[in-house]
Amino acid sequence: GAVVSQHPSRVICKSGTSVKIECRSLDFQATTMFWYRQFPKKSLMLMATSNEGSKATYEQGVEKDKFLINHASLTLSTLTVTSAHPEDSSFYICSASGQLNTEAFFGQGTRLTVV
Amino acid sequence: GENVEQHPSTLSVQEGDSAVIKCTYSDSASNYFPWYKQELGKRPQLIIDIRSNVGEKKDQRIAVTLNKTAKHFSLHITETQPEDSAVYFCAAPSYQKVTFGTGTKLQVIP
Repeated sequence: GAVVSQHPSRVICKSGTSVKIECRSLDFQATTMFWYRQFPKKSLMLMATSNEGSKATYEQGVEKDKFLINHASLTLSTLTVTSAHPEDSSFYICSASGQLNTEAFFGQGTRLTVV
Repeated sequence: GENVEQHPSTLSVQEGDSAVIKCTYSDSASNYFPWYKQELGKRPQLIIDIRSNVGEKKDQRIAVTLNKTAKHFSLHITETQPEDSAVYFCAAPSYQKVTFGTGTKLQVIP
């Protein structure tokens, strides 16, 4: 199947700093990528839909100024957690598919810990 | 938007028994229904999917059934093995995004 690579897999940062997470589709073009947040033993909560060349679409309750999404090319989307706080600590995971009604391929996920 | 409900949230079965996980969805226009398996600390991976033009699909010990009229679909795992222990998610792509169910933690007891 297709490969989606997410980097970094783990990051620890201090409160108040910003962290950037990258999601790359390695062998296909992804017009749309999705960013999820997963709490321990919980489901995947969609944060935003990342659209290449346009602004991301955020889910209700997700602060767009805090979670900055950039989708500059058909193979790369980035999520920047700005002014991180301990409550932002979580597992963030991206996914992409060539078309909507086909298999979604997930990145490895990023474990963010804010201290 | 799409609303996907998944039951049960946890499921324990003896090795060799069958496991069934059910999902309902709200958008009648949805026509693709995948199931993902997520092992601890790993990314979700597709295990089986079904499109709305069929009612059932099988792949060895795994099967998915779909009832479009009732808007529900189910995952069936037969002859469960310890390596089937994981969290399973259903999903229903709709409105240009993918909505996941709340997940089912399956534990297969040896």
